Amino acid sequence: DGGITQSPKYLFRKEGQNVTLSCEQNLNHDAMYWYRQDPGQGLRLIYYSQIVNDFQKGDIAEGYSVSREKKESFPLTVTSAQKNPTAFYLCASRDRAATNEKLFFGSGTQLSVL
Amino acid sequence: GQQLNQSPQSMFIQEGEDVSMNCTSSSIFNTWLWYKQDPGEGPVLLIALYKAGELTSNGRLTAQFGITRKDSFLNISASIPSDVGIYFCAGQGLGGGSQGNLIFGKGTKLSVKP
Repeated sequence: DGGITQSPKYLFRKEGQNVTLSCEQNLNHDAMYWYRQDPGQGLRLIYYSQIVNDFQKGDIAEGYSVSREKKESFPLTVTSAQKNPTAFYLCASRDRAATNEKLFFGSGTQLSVL
Repeated sequence: GQQLNQSPQSMFIQEGEDVSMNCTSSSIFNTWLWYKQDPGEGPVLLIALYKAGELTSNGRLTAQFGITRKDSFLNISASIPSDVGIYFCAGQGLGGGSQGNLIFGKGTKLSVKP
């Protein structure tokens, strides 16, 4: 089945540690996104990528990094510089070539600090 | 920047009741999307709207794109227990901010009346 796969579902980070969240899609979508979700809040954009080997900062990029070496993959690294990393992280993708630009989401990764 | 206000923040439903929620924007949007999120999962697209005045249904759900292009409404008729969750609106403005990326409301949490 086509879709977006995020892993792991749960992740724990020790202080000072970098952790990487995986996002893979087989929808052949050009654009991929990372959002952060805190309880009672909307989705805030961390980074996005419109095309392979290119990505842009979103509204809350500080303390995060990404890469886009392959069309189907868009991993997110939460660095030690991110002092409040506990949140639910959502990866999404959409087909920029389509006339309707619907965003599709993965099932999320819950990151917590030990 | 563009802002979305979604209301109510939360509501309790009794099975069989109709439910209404809405989103308003500080500026004109050309696309409105409505998503539902179950606990610990990613949002799932319910309805997409692309024209002012458009009224679209998906089963018991009906959404409308406001005439002013600054608001949208979602109605759920004859609610059932599985309707509980968080409902998000998302909109895309004419100019796009961040390359035309979606802006999300903070969500309406639907719970069952005790």
